[in-house]
Amino acid sequence: EAGVAQSPRYKIIEKRQSVAFWCNPISGHATLYWYQQILGQGPKLLIQFQNNGVVDDSQLPKDRFSAERLKGVDSTLKIQPAKLEDSAVYLCASSFIRHEQFFGPGTRLTVL
Amino acid sequence: QQPVQSPQAVILREGEDAVINCSSSKALYSVHWYRQKHGEAPVFLMILLKGGEQKGHEKISASFNEKKQQSSLYLTASQLSYSGTYFCGTDPNTDKLIFGTGTRLQVFP
Repeated sequence: EAGVAQSPRYKIIEKRQSVAFWCNPISGHATLYWYQQILGQGPKLLIQFQNNGVVDDSQLPKDRFSAERLKGVDSTLKIQPAKLEDSAVYLCASSFIRHEQFFGPGTRLTVL
Repeated sequence: QQPVQSPQAVILREGEDAVINCSSSKALYSVHWYRQKHGEAPVFLMILLKGGEQKGHEKISASFNEKKQQSSLYLTASQLSYSGTYFCGTDPNTDKLIFGTGTRLQVFP
């Protein structure tokens, strides 16, 4: 079974630039999550989708972050404009409803 | 409210046992446990549902005391491959996980 795919794996940008991350979840998983993990901390949920709809985006900084899930499958997370404090690993995970979450390899973002 | 894990770090020799605790201030529907190796994604270990059940997976098991809003992860006869950071993820019946502060485990030969 193919796992959760993410790209790119690494990204280095300057502050105020834009960046986008892509995630392809495990086939059949209705729920998709985007997490931000700062070095030394646990993952922090940014947004949760169930099929096409947003279940929770209460911790998404909406002035600069946006996310969408196309046709209930792939998802993109965008940051525009990036700040220094956005440097982190961005993890995508997917699951069946209320089951264990499977994580992708993550995108390590460095903002200079 | 982020669940608190203890201890923050553990150093073991191969074959030794360890217990990692996770404590939440909220009533919980479930607790998930994950292990993350350096530079890698978290990997699911087990999920415990409301009901105080205990689960096991080879030499790793866990318990969930819903009254105390606590869960514990038990690692017996540790192996080198157990090294990593362990996170609990708590679900206060909102269908989303709040990850704990993490416990770094290092196993030496």
